Amino acid sequence: SQQGEEDPQALSIQEGENATMNCSYKTSINNLQWYRQNSGRGLVHLILIRSNEREKHSGRLRVTLDTSKKSSSLLITASRAADTASYFCATVSYNYGQNFVFGPGTRLSVLP
Amino acid sequence: DTEVTQTPKHLVMGMTNKKSLKCEQHMGHRAMYWYKQKAKKPPELMFVYSYEKLSINESVPSRFSPECPNSSLLNLHLHALQPEDSALYLCASSQGLAGASHEQYFGPGTRLTVT
Repeated sequence: SQQGEEDPQALSIQEGENATMNCSYKTSINNLQWYRQNSGRGLVHLILIRSNEREKHSGRLRVTLDTSKKSSSLLITASRAADTASYFCATVSYNYGQNFVFGPGTRLSVLP
Repeated sequence: DTEVTQTPKHLVMGMTNKKSLKCEQHMGHRAMYWYKQKAKKPPELMFVYSYEKLSINESVPSRFSPECPNSSLLNLHLHALQPEDSALYLCASSQGLAGASHEQYFGPGTRLTVT
């Protein structure tokens, strides 16, 4: 399976702190995407990083990709209570018919 | 309009019922997806339509039958479901297939309960 795996599975921090979530995967990929899901609702796309990119920024989000280690990290800086959600990485690989596979996710709780 | 809509929001059905889930987008996207998500688990891909043609079926049981009547609509027909099929069903769309680096836009989901 090419499924990504997030680490940690759950993370609890105080408002204002930074949150780092990691994602590992098993096969070569075309791109890796991060999504956020508030409880029981649809997913929201956060950022996409292509296999030839190493780092991308979007507002308070920073994503890195290390294809040699088959891993990615999502950093949320200066976290807010509104950042409380589940965060999923998703990988796409042409070798797997362009299937879109989500990792198990990290449940982030930001305490006020 | 960057919204994907899904109806109904909630659905309770018996194992002998036939029902349908509906999904609509008006972003001109040519790829549409159905996912199943159990509580505290990631979404699992069920079907992918590309240019109104079924391109991926992830070995989903035949009691789930997808349909793409046109480029804006995606249906999921349900028949003879089992209680273990109870889940959140998510629809998504993207400009092209995800492998071509297109982000997916998700609807809010339909919460299905099979009794």
